Amino acid sequence: EVQLLESGGGLVQPGGSLRLSCAASGFTFSSYAMSWVRQAPGKGLEWVSAISGSGDSTYYADSVKGRFTISRDNSKNTLYLQLNSLRAEDTAVYYCAIISGGSYSNYYFDYWGQGTLVTVSS
Amino acid sequence: QSVLTQPPSVSGAPGQRVTISCTGSSSNIGAGYDVHWYQQLPGTAPKLLIYANTNRPSGVPDRFSGSKSGTSASLAITGLQAADEADYYCQSYDSSLSGVVFGGGTKLTVL
Repeated sequence: EVQLLESGGGLVQPGGSLRLSCAASGFTFSSYAMSWVRQAPGKGLEWVSAISGSGDSTYYADSVKGRFTISRDNSKNTLYLQLNSLRAEDTAVYYCAIISGGSYSNYYFDYWGQGTLVTVSS
Repeated sequence: QSVLTQPPSVSGAPGQRVTISCTGSSSNIGAGYDVHWYQQLPGTAPKLLIYANTNRPSGVPDRFSGSKSGTSASLAITGLQAADEADYYCQSYDSSLSGVVFGGGTKLTVL
């Protein structure tokens, strides 16, 4: 059974940093591209970042480019998102998701974790 | 303002058919990029409902169907059930933004 378990969320002050983790199991982790998608309280879904199976290719939404860094450790079956220079508008539930669809322009999200809440507030 | 436009809400009685539209532009749906649909039940993570415009993942009932034409796509739900009450999101790729884009979401209410 595919399982994605996010962790690392919490309360952080504006300008602060946080590292999110997503522990994967039930599938061959290194064979799949992975992504982070967030959802602000009461709002819609916003794609944040994606990474290829090997970790060689990374992609970011303009809203987080230069502040967030996606990475993965295939030996630990774990996906990461480093969040720096956090702003109030980054407050959201952050979901990790398995990507299908082949190329970047065909990406869709096959399985989702339950999410971890990041709150940016003083 | 989302790149893909969905109606904020739709409603229907049990057993009825409803459709949810997803309107894009020449840089996303109109450019030929696939459209995918997700269902988010209250308090849960999103779930893939339709991929590549018309395809249902294993386990998704055939009451759910997708279509695409020009710069728009639609999700149809037939035989509406109370359990279908959820938020629905479309998703595609936008070449101008060079990134994945979602619609703003549509809340389905079963009357």
